[in-house]
Amino acid sequence: GAVVSQHPSWVICKSGTSVKIECRSLDFQATTMFWYRQFPKQSLMLMATSNEGSKATYEQGVEKDKFLINHASLTLSTLTVTSAHPEDSSFYICSAPDRNDEQYFGPGTRLTVT
Amino acid sequence: QKEVEQDPGPLSVPEGAIVSLNCTYSNSAFQYFMWYRQYSRKGPELLMYTYSSGNKEDGRFTAQVDKSSKYISLFIRDSQPSDSATYLCAMSGTASKLTFGTGTRLQVTL
Repeated sequence: GAVVSQHPSWVICKSGTSVKIECRSLDFQATTMFWYRQFPKQSLMLMATSNEGSKATYEQGVEKDKFLINHASLTLSTLTVTSAHPEDSSFYICSAPDRNDEQYFGPGTRLTVT
Repeated sequence: QKEVEQDPGPLSVPEGAIVSLNCTYSNSAFQYFMWYRQYSRKGPELLMYTYSSGNKEDGRFTAQVDKSSKYISLFIRDSQPSDSATYLCAMSGTASKLTFGTGTRLQVTL
């Protein structure tokens, strides 16, 4: 199957700072990528849809000024958590559909805000 | 009512047992159905992808979709300890945007 990577896999930051997470499709191009957040023992919650060349679409309740998404190329989307607070600590996962519309997930990024 | 309902478990079975995992859904617009396996602190791994009613088999895994009843299942034959993970059902309409179940935690014991 297709491969999606994320970087970093784990990041610790201080409250008030910003953190950037990268999502790359390694062997296919993705005009659309998705960003999810997952709290312990809970399912994935879709945060936003990242669209190459245009603005991201955010789900209801997700602050677009806090979670900045940039889909810079057909293989790269970035999520920046701005002015992070402890409640933003979570597992962030991206996904991308391949040309068969099968969706592949990255390994996730664990964010801890102290 | 949630769009997708899935029993969170945990489900504990002995090695070699047949495992049955299920989800129900309420949105008739869902056309594509997936099962993902997620190990602790890892991203979900696609196991099965189907878009029609009926059965689809891949090795020890069989996915079953009944659109008339809005019910999907995943069967795991000859379960192994390495199958211990959380299994997530997911579904979508036409726009690749997935809606997930809560996930069922499976433990296969020796």
